[in-house]
Formats: sequence, structure tokens, C-alpha cells
Amino acid sequence: DAGITQSPRHKVTETGTPVTLRCHQTENHRYMYWYRQDPGHGLRLIHYSYGVKDTDKGEVSDGYSVSRSKTEDFLLTLESATSSQTSVYFCAIRGLAGEETQYFGPGTRLLVL
Amino acid sequence: GQNIDQPTEMTATEGAIVQINCTYQTSGFNGLFWYQQHAGEAPTFLSYNVLDGLEEKGRFSSFLSRSKGYSYLLLKELQMKDSASYLCAVIGTGGFKTIFGAGTRLFVKA
Repeated sequence: DAGITQSPRHKVTETGTPVTLRCHQTENHRYMYWYRQDPGHGLRLIHYSYGVKDTDKGEVSDGYSVSRSKTEDFLLTLESATSSQTSVYFCAIRGLAGEETQYFGPGTRLLVL
Repeated sequence: GQNIDQPTEMTATEGAIVQINCTYQTSGFNGLFWYQQHAGEAPTFLSYNVLDGLEEKGRFSSFLSRSKGYSYLLLKELQMKDSASYLCAVIGTGGFKTIFGAGTRLFVKA
């Protein structure tokens, strides 16, 4: 699990409210990723980061923003949550130098009412 | 476009062998992963193939043919705990973005 934690683990919110999910890692990994997982779609990349303050969009980035001000923390923000953003969100880190494998955090279940 | 195809569900019997296939069409290729995901849990890494051929790791083996855009995961001596989803994922060019298939749900019955 490479020392990855996510918070909160579960959240229920209302449409239109802002939501921030946190991913924290303890092993100084450079690359971090946010995915969402929905039935029938598998894991889809939202945003990723390749260093402090260096981020880029994935395939489903609309409605999401990210920030990485410290190596260990990667934040995902839903500026104004919608019901279509109800999902399970996974953070992942890429292995250390030369390793391609991604390791996943435990996930956050988000329900937007 | 980029696409990864896997069967949606498979059922097999405890003690048997099962093969889960994955075909892919991606922009470039830098490796293929298999992950296991139990219900309600995070995906966990099983295998990584970058060259053609078979990689064996205990009861699990993974095969890759880059020319055919094809991989399979072979599970031997199935156990009840192998009931899970198995995700095929491909790293495209650039190395930053990994494309995941929708996963194959495997049910192991007694």
C-alpha cells in the first residue's frame, strides 16, 4: 500500500456544495494520481501530478481541480458537487525511480444527493 | 481511440484453472498490468508485462503478445478467496497515463 491514506473514507454531501478529498503519502513518491471508479467504466483518470505544483488533466477532469503544495499531499476538489460525481475515488502513487507500477489508496466513497 | 476489452464476468470452480483475456488498442505501449480488486477494496498489483511472453508468479501467470494487442491472466488451483475483479491496464506513450479496462468479475464456486 506504500503508505497511502485517503480522507475522508466516506462522505455524503448535497448538490452544489464544495468537497475536498485528501490523499497523503509518506514515502516521497513524485507521481500521484486521482481516479474515479464507476460500474462498467473501470478506473478513469481525473488528474495527476508529477511534482509539487506540477499537475495535469486526465480523461475526466471537468468539474474537478487539484492542488499539490507538498510532496506528500495531493488534494482533489469538487468545486460544486453534482450527482454525477457520486463515485468511489482512488488516489494512487507511482513506484519509486524506474518503477511503473501504481499503488492505490483505500478509496473514498462519495455520495452526492 | 484507446480501448481495453475484458469479459465482464466469469465463473469457475474451486481447484480449477481460469484464463482471463484482455485485448487492447492504445496510443503506444509501455507495459501492461493486472490488478486484483476485492469488493469494496482498492486494486492491488498482481503482475507487469512489458515484453512478449509468460511471466509466472506462484499460482498466477500473465502472458503478453504486443503484436496482437493481447494479454491473459492465468489463475491456477483456484481458491474461494480468488473471487474478485481483475483489472487489465495499459501504459500508453509518455508513461504518465495508464488506461484501465472495466474489469472482469470472477466468481469461484465450491
